[in-house]
Amino acid sequence: SQQGEEDPQALSIQEGENATMNCSYKTSINNLQWYRQNSGRGLVHLILIRSNEREKHSGRLRVTLDTSKKSSSLLITASRAADTASYFCATDDSNYQLIWGAGTKLIIKP
Amino acid sequence: GAGVSQSPSNKVTEKGKDVELRCDPISGHTALYWYRQSLGQGLEFLIYFQGNSAPDKSGLPSDRFSAERTGGSVSTLTIQRTQQEDSAVYLCASSPNSGGYGYTFGSGTRLTVV
Repeated sequence: SQQGEEDPQALSIQEGENATMNCSYKTSINNLQWYRQNSGRGLVHLILIRSNEREKHSGRLRVTLDTSKKSSSLLITASRAADTASYFCATDDSNYQLIWGAGTKLIIKP
Repeated sequence: GAGVSQSPSNKVTEKGKDVELRCDPISGHTALYWYRQSLGQGLEFLIYFQGNSAPDKSGLPSDRFSAERTGGSVSTLTIQRTQQEDSAVYLCASSPNSGGYGYTFGSGTRLTVV
C-alpha cells in the first residue's frame, strides 16, 4: 500500500541549484527512509532518519523529520546531472513493511 | 555476494505461460521482500520472508502468484498462467533484519507478457 505522499511529483532545476522534495505520511513511525531510483530499476538506499532524530546529513543530502507534522524533506545541495532520478520516501512503523510514497521525479538540467 | 542479484534481468513471455523469477539476497540478510512496480508508479508489496518464520503473502495479487525461499537464502517468485497485467518490473530487496534497516535492492526483472 502507498500511504506516503511526496511532493512535488516532478521537479526540474538547473545544475548547481538545490532541490527540495517533501514527504508526508499518516501513521506513527520508527524511521523514515529515502531512496533513489534510476531508469525504473533497482532502488538505492540514501538515508534513514529515526523518529527521535530531527535532521541528518550525508554528503550533499540533508534530511529533516517533523513527527508532529508527519512530514520529512530531502534537500540535495549543488545538484548535478547525475542526480536526475526518481526519489522515494518510505516509512517504517516496525511492522516490517515499508510504506512507500509514489515518488518525485527530479530532472537536473545542464 | 556483494549485492542483491536478480535474474533474468528481462523476460518476455507469452500470455498463459508460467515464469519464474529469481532473487539471490545479500549473504546473512534474514529479511527478503518482493515488490512489483508498474511504469511510473510506486512500489507494490508482494511478499515478505523473515528467517524461518512463515512468509507474509498478503500482497500477492492472486493465487497465480507464489514464492518460496529455500534454505533462508535464494528466493523464487513464480507467476502461473501469466496475464498482460502482470507486466511490470519485479524488485527483490533484502535487509539484515526487519525494522530499522535500509533495504538493498536488486536491479529487478522486467517482465513483459505479450
